[in-house]
Amino acid sequence: KAGVTQTPRYLIKTRGQQVTLSCSPISGHRSVSWYQQTPGQGLQFLFEYFSETQRNKGNFPGRFSGRQFSNSRSEMNVSTLELGDSALYLCASSATSEITDTQYFGPGTRLTVL
Amino acid sequence: AQKITQTQPGMFVQEKEAVTLDCTYDTSDPSYGLFWYKQPSSGEMIFLIYQGSYDQQNATEGRYSLNFQKARKSANLVISASQLGDSAMYFCAMEGPRNSNASKIIFGSGTRLSIQP
Repeated sequence: KAGVTQTPRYLIKTRGQQVTLSCSPISGHRSVSWYQQTPGQGLQFLFEYFSETQRNKGNFPGRFSGRQFSNSRSEMNVSTLELGDSALYLCASSATSEITDTQYFGPGTRLTVL
Repeated sequence: AQKITQTQPGMFVQEKEAVTLDCTYDTSDPSYGLFWYKQPSSGEMIFLIYQGSYDQQNATEGRYSLNFQKARKSANLVISASQLGDSAMYFCAMEGPRNSNASKIIFGSGTRLSIQP
């Protein structure tokens, strides 16, 4: 079974631009969660989608948004990029939205904002 | 509130030795789950092992075992016969608070393990 895939793997943007990241979950998984990882803040939860609905949201500004499609693929969008948005963005999928379900992570998208 | 603490920022271990990575946690939930993930320099978070709070036995997966001491609220990862490929960041994590809109999983700050030949 193929794992979680994320595209692109690397991105370089400038301040003020917007960016869209994509995540394809493991086949059959319906829950997709997004995390931001930085050296200073560690791993922080952004949001979770299940069956095209946002279920949970972390403490991030409204510039961070996402959506999920009927095939469970998910996109994350960041508008008006700031230098502090430079991070590794990780996507994780699980079969259901149950908290006991193990999450499997993709390779991440490394975003650099100049 | 849930909290995961990893007190070892970095560890250096000789190849083929066993290594223990420390993890303590805090939660008010009577039922919870604990995880360990490995993150190589490539960035991908690789699931290693899971321990449920009501599991009677310590979890094991190949060379990985979880030394679960519920009374001490510790969930240390033990890697037997370490290999060069074990060099990576290791994160201890636990299920997020139930019945809330918070994250499904909460991570510790990680331990960077370096295996030396």
